[in-house]
Amino acid sequence: QSALTQPPSASGSPGQSVTISCTGTSSDVGGYNYVSWYQQRPGKAPKLMIYEVSKRPSGVPDRFSGSKFGNTASLTVSGLQAEDEADYYCSSYAGSNAYVFGTGTKVTVL
Amino acid sequence: EVQLVESGGGLVQPGGSLRLSCAASGFTFSNYWMTWVRQAPGKGLEWVASIKQSESDKYYEDSVKGRFTISRDNAKNSLYLQMNSLSAEDTAVYYCARRQNVACDSWGQGTLVTVS
Repeated sequence: QSALTQPPSASGSPGQSVTISCTGTSSDVGGYNYVSWYQQRPGKAPKLMIYEVSKRPSGVPDRFSGSKFGNTASLTVSGLQAEDEADYYCSSYAGSNAYVFGTGTKVTVL
Repeated sequence: EVQLVESGGGLVQPGGSLRLSCAASGFTFSNYWMTWVRQAPGKGLEWVASIKQSESDKYYEDSVKGRFTISRDNAKNSLYLQMNSLSAEDTAVYYCARRQNVACDSWGQGTLVTVS
């Protein structure tokens, strides 16, 4: 499977919103409502932020939201905070019990 | 508290083998699918393999099929990844992760495998 396409970088000032896109195909993102998003700080393990397109695990702030339209999923971080600066990866179920990750987006808080 | 602790990484020559382990605690290990994900230095995440609760079903990313074997021992709360015929392209931090709701909801700290 080919990696899902994400923009290499995104940025915003504290308090602003940033949206990250994740583009796949009808065989992955477009075919299933199983898109998840992960936050990874430098030198740390990834952390689940969104699952099943738009659901938040317990403990994840409601500033993080997810959506999907067609073959593109999106993660929006509202009210940006300095602690949100990290790499973000999307992932999608791709059928036949296979998964594919996105290329990753570095979010910078200006 | 869910804890996943990987071990077994290290330096190995091309063509060599390595077995990674992941010790799980804080949850009923036998109730969950488990997954290995890797990350090459400075690169993105890559799904490697997944295994069902009862070990009856195993799935692999195409580039590791036939070389890697995922397994588990529910009595020991442990997940394994046997890696054979290693090449430089397999150099990465390997994470074990618990799968729930078709997502990886808990991750270990990772173990570095260097093939050189």
